[in-house]
Amino acid sequence: DTEVTQTPKHLVMGMTNKKSLKCEQHMGHRAMYWYKQKAKKPPELMFVYSYEKLSINESVPSRFSPECPNSSLLNLHLHALQPEDSALYLCASSLRDGVGNPSPGNTIYFGEGSWLTVV
Amino acid sequence: ILNVEQSPQSLHVQEGDSTNFTCSFPSSNFYALHWYRWETAKSPEALFVMTLNGDEKKKGRISATLNTKEGYSYLYIKGSQPEDSATYLCAFPPEYGNKLVFGAGTILRVKS
Repeated sequence: DTEVTQTPKHLVMGMTNKKSLKCEQHMGHRAMYWYKQKAKKPPELMFVYSYEKLSINESVPSRFSPECPNSSLLNLHLHALQPEDSALYLCASSLRDGVGNPSPGNTIYFGEGSWLTVV
Repeated sequence: ILNVEQSPQSLHVQEGDSTNFTCSFPSSNFYALHWYRWETAKSPEALFVMTLNGDEKKKGRISATLNTKEGYSYLYIKGSQPEDSATYLCAFPPEYGNKLVFGAGTILRVKS
């Protein structure tokens, strides 16, 4: 099973709403990621979790709040978003090497993404 | 600013044609180079992770080569089929770890 599952596939939310994106993997991976992709642009890293701890935050606004409740799950909590936050949000996961950081040679597996529209 | 460049931006070929695209990346502090295929409405699919200069990898009709000294990788598709139509992305970790910086991609359309 090399699957990363994301829900929901589509989400429309108002600027005052609170919603969450969810991601799940059962490959035993201990590194999980959130990427954001705007139309016609490459995916951009938002957050990295390693062993359920936040290891990288790419200066993402606090209206995006990640959470890793266990090694298989990754959430992205959304609050007070702006229309410009509308994008495809991709979750991904990878193995970690034995000494700490994810190895740059590890394959990263992506989910299909959640399409977010902020109105 | 780290630049990962891909060319061409898009490519339209006939079924049966062979094609190739290029990914250019900074040659200093090389760790790995990732290739992905991304079909519409699907998840990006990992094709190759290349770590050694001179690496050549193959998956069916798709192969890739790596030159870390000059900072480029080529992806080749032999005998393109309509199902090869997708966006092909390369990605590069600028530091140790899996913090990937993606190129803008090459959009391939194969006509039957």
